[in-house]
Amino acid sequence: SQQGEEDPQALSIQEGENATMNCSYKTSINNLQWYRQNSGRGLVHLILIRSNEREKHSGRLRVTLDTSKKSSSLLITASRAADTASYFCATASYSGAGSYQLTFGKGTKLSVIP
Amino acid sequence: EAGVAQSPRYKIIEKRQSVAFWCNPISGHATLYWYQQILGQGPKLLIQFQNNGVVDDSQLPKDRFSAERLKGVDSTLKIQPAKLEDSAVYLCASSLLRAGQETQYFGPGTRLLVL
Repeated sequence: SQQGEEDPQALSIQEGENATMNCSYKTSINNLQWYRQNSGRGLVHLILIRSNEREKHSGRLRVTLDTSKKSSSLLITASRAADTASYFCATASYSGAGSYQLTFGKGTKLSVIP
Repeated sequence: EAGVAQSPRYKIIEKRQSVAFWCNPISGHATLYWYQQILGQGPKLLIQFQNNGVVDDSQLPKDRFSAERLKGVDSTLKIQPAKLEDSAVYLCASSLLRAGQETQYFGPGTRLLVL
């Protein structure tokens, strides 16, 4: 089952603008991660934020986490055409016997128009 | 550092046939995962290995899917017999999975089409 739900499902912006994607989830988590997937390629890890963190930055990426609302957001500043991809949030939790599960949402499809 | 390798990249089979996918994780990564990604959806975990032991296979359809990781390195995922709904991209990922090292590194995937 999919735990994270991204919003919006699709987003189209002009190059140079900022892009914001949101993720909501249902159960408690150990951490939340964002991944990018270019058309026809594998997933690339972007950033990880732990349940006791509220905000994290990496280059042009800013992630926030609100565990009380069970939501996270990913902000990409000064977008580029190369940022065109699908973005997935994935919630991570440990469950007995060493199982570490990443549960992905359906993703947000971002198109950056040059 | 070499990434996660998968083969084949593409496979077309007819329903009821069998198919196998291969994965070579990043050197030193003890944990290996297989995911199924249906078009328009996020990846869904099928099975998790820690070294050569299965940690979690609760979402693996065991009547038709099987996976093994001999010697704790390479892994194969098999589907027998395949159904139309198995058409998807099969992703392999690996990680160190220790405190502060939870990032999973994904391979390019195998795109399966069942006709």
